[in-house]
Amino acid sequence: GAGVSQTPSNKVTEKGKYVELRCDPISGHTALYWYRQSLGQGPEFLIYFQGTGAADDSGLPNDRFFAVRPEGSVSTLKIQRTERGDSAVYLCASSLIGVGETQYFGPGTRLLVL
Amino acid sequence: KNEVEQSPQNLTAQEGEFITINCSYSVGISALHWLQQHPGGGIVSLFMLSSGKKKHGRLIATINIQEKHSSLHITASHPRDSAVYICAVVQGAQKLVFGQGTRLTINP
Repeated sequence: GAGVSQTPSNKVTEKGKYVELRCDPISGHTALYWYRQSLGQGPEFLIYFQGTGAADDSGLPNDRFFAVRPEGSVSTLKIQRTERGDSAVYLCASSLIGVGETQYFGPGTRLLVL
Repeated sequence: KNEVEQSPQNLTAQEGEFITINCSYSVGISALHWLQQHPGGGIVSLFMLSSGKKKHGRLIATINIQEKHSSLHITASHPRDSAVYICAVVQGAQKLVFGQGTRLTINP
């Protein structure tokens, strides 16, 4: 079956613009995660959804970042007034619900803010 | 200090060598994952551990909950094992906290 997909694969934008990044999880996976990975670093947690609701959004760096998952499947990460420091690879993962369940990662969206 | 520390940060070895990558953590966890990331970004889960030891092919992962330490071993290493290996701990039910990764290069 299909894995986790993310679009676009690359996004170049200008400082101050708004961007949306999309994640299509594995069918049937109730849990969905967004991570951000800067060059040379491990990923860092942004937000976790159980179904439609954000169960933990403690990793969102500030109120310019927002994510939704209105029907419990596809999720969109939205970044307002982008800054150069937002440049990173944004990773999405999905899993079944359960402690320590294997997370399946998408290929990521590489965001570059000029 | 990061909650999850890996060592070494970079490791270069010759084909056939036995490889060990270490992970120490300072927080309470419910499980620990070892992940592999190839150039271009794709991340694959190798193991999930909550106790003891797991083996898959040439890969072995161990965890000592009391010591808050885990190791990933690769036997008979091969150039195709070259990748970044990331340790991630599970906090609460699902949240992953990642180490900075270990970049492994196996030369033929």
